[in-house]
Formats: sequence, structure tokens, C-alpha cells
Amino acid sequence: DTGVSQDPRHKITKRGQNVTFRCDPISEHNRLYWYRQTLGQGPEFLTYFQNEAQLEKSRLLSDRFSAERPKGSFSTLEIQRTEQGDSAMYLCASSLELPQETQYFGPGTRLLVL
Amino acid sequence: GDSVTQMEGPVTLSEEAFLTINCTYTATGYPSLFWYVQYPGEGLQLLLKATKADDKGSNKGFEATYRKETTSFHLEKGSVQVSDSAVYFCALSLYNFNKFYFGSGTKLNVKP
Repeated sequence: DTGVSQDPRHKITKRGQNVTFRCDPISEHNRLYWYRQTLGQGPEFLTYFQNEAQLEKSRLLSDRFSAERPKGSFSTLEIQRTEQGDSAMYLCASSLELPQETQYFGPGTRLLVL
Repeated sequence: GDSVTQMEGPVTLSEEAFLTINCTYTATGYPSLFWYVQYPGEGLQLLLKATKADDKGSNKGFEATYRKETTSFHLEKGSVQVSDSAVYFCALSLYNFNKFYFGSGTKLNVKP
């Protein structure tokens, strides 16, 4: 069990550029979640997949954000036309498909938009 | 709406002191409750959880009891160590699809 991995760990970009982050969940986990965490705050839910289906999106996820999980394994989160307010830690988590199952978190991708 | 409120930090204690970090919640239905810990430079790690009222979660000397009557899940440890210095997050999840709501975190500093 290698845990949840995320790539890259850090990303610096200029305002207006597009960025894409990748998450590889624990292999047997069919649920995958994206969260955003700003400094001094707890993670905020962005979106959730069960296998390849995106089942829920937060209102925090503007139309500049898109997430995919094409084969029900890894997932990507893309931010288009980045803004300085997008600067945050983006966390991925995965879990089994069981009621109230524990979520296991990756190390996160820290994004800085200049 | 569903939410978690936890005490603001930072909390600074001397080694071997008693720790309490307060957490209260608001939820529709019957949530599960969690404490996650984030050590410097690392990702969130599950510390303990409780899935129904009166359950006690425990791990590494930390304990928390799910109190439905007071909607609380306070974290306690009898004797903290320097290595416990971290940020602690209280969280709840709802049955529907296991979405998590996190508190804002409480930073704990333990001095030798």
C-alpha cells in the first residue's frame, strides 16, 4: 500500500495560465475526493468521484475548474485562467465504498499564482 | 448547514501536560466524527474516529467521545509530548456520500 500520491507537490504559475494536478488513489479505493485548503483553514470539499462518475461538485468549484477520473483510477484537476485567489493547497483523498469509511489523504499540491 | 467548530489556537503546553481541544458540530442526520492530524510538512493523517453516539475513539494516547447530547467530540490526551506538536482537525462525515466537513484546525505547540 503506497498511499495516495499527488503530483506535482508544488506549482508556481502566473495569473491567467492553466494548471493541471494529478492524484493517484490507493489502488482498491473506488471513491476519490478533491479538497482545497487555504492557510489557517481546514480543507473544503470541491468534488467527489465514485469510480469514473463525478457525483458531487461544490459551489466552490467555478467553471474554471474541471476534474476527471477517466478510468476510475487516477484523477486530474485542471484550473483554467488561474487567479491569485486560487493559491491554496489542493488535497486529494480516497476511500472504499462503504458507509462512513475513512478517507486517506495525499500530501497535497501547493499552488501559488503570481 | 452541516459544520464543525473547533477551538482556535495556537495551544501551547509544556511536555506531560493534559490536552483538551474542543470540537462541536452541527449536522443533519447521524454523522461519523473524526480527528485528523497534520504534522509539519506532511499530509493529513487519521488520528481517531467514532461512528455513533457514545463511541470512544482512541489512538496513540489520544481519546475522544462522541457526545450526541452536547454535539461534541473533544480531543484529550493525558500527557503530551513534543512530538505531538501539529495541527489537529476535527471533521464530520455524513452517510450520503461520505463528504467531509472540517473545522479550521487547532495548532498545538508542546515545549520541552
